Amino acid sequence: SQTIHQWPATLVQPVGSPLSLECTVEGTSNPNLYWYRQAAGRGLQLLFYSVGIGQISSEVPQNLSASRPQDRQFILSSKKLLLSDSGFYLCAWKRQSGTVYGYTFGSGTRLTVV
Amino acid sequence: DQQVKQNSPSLSVQEGRISILNCDYTNSMFDYFLWYKKYPAEGPTFLISISSIKDKNEDGRFTVFLNKSAKHLSLHIVPSQPGDSAVYFCAASDNTDKLIFGTGTRLQVFP
Repeated sequence: SQTIHQWPATLVQPVGSPLSLECTVEGTSNPNLYWYRQAAGRGLQLLFYSVGIGQISSEVPQNLSASRPQDRQFILSSKKLLLSDSGFYLCAWKRQSGTVYGYTFGSGTRLTVV
Repeated sequence: DQQVKQNSPSLSVQEGRISILNCDYTNSMFDYFLWYKKYPAEGPTFLISISSIKDKNEDGRFTVFLNKSAKHLSLHIVPSQPGDSAVYFCAASDNTDKLIFGTGTRLQVFP
């Protein structure tokens, strides 16, 4: 069966520090991978998605970047965190040939920038 | 620009009654709509969906209605149960690789 792992579960980082959040998927190959952020009053905002290794699409201009160094690994990064980067970050995957309701989400990372 | 909107940030309903959650969208290219349920500190889980070729889809206590002309959909939960208390997200897709979510509605079902 397929599983998605996301870590860490919580993170408190000072302003200006770097960030690296990791997401891995098991039990499938060549998935579509997604990073979403839930911020107060903003719902679930799509940040990045990837349809293959090295292929990253950015949805909103921001202080963050994403990379996909391996087929089932998706990393969210920042060189210098801002207070506005605080939020709940969710990774998700879907089979490339799967239906639109095939999204599966990880358990999320609560990031607090102080 | 928010393409999917849930104008009610919260809703409180008595157990056994009907809960109605609403969602509006602006992109006429959306052809598939979904509802997700989310508990605190967890990822969203899929609840129910509807294709744009339908106007109603029912699954147990959950029914989704779609009004394409009004670009509006709603989720009905009957009867509401305390375990239904969560944040509900409406989402839409235009058959690309992306799913666009709304701002969410926090439902509280009280005894």
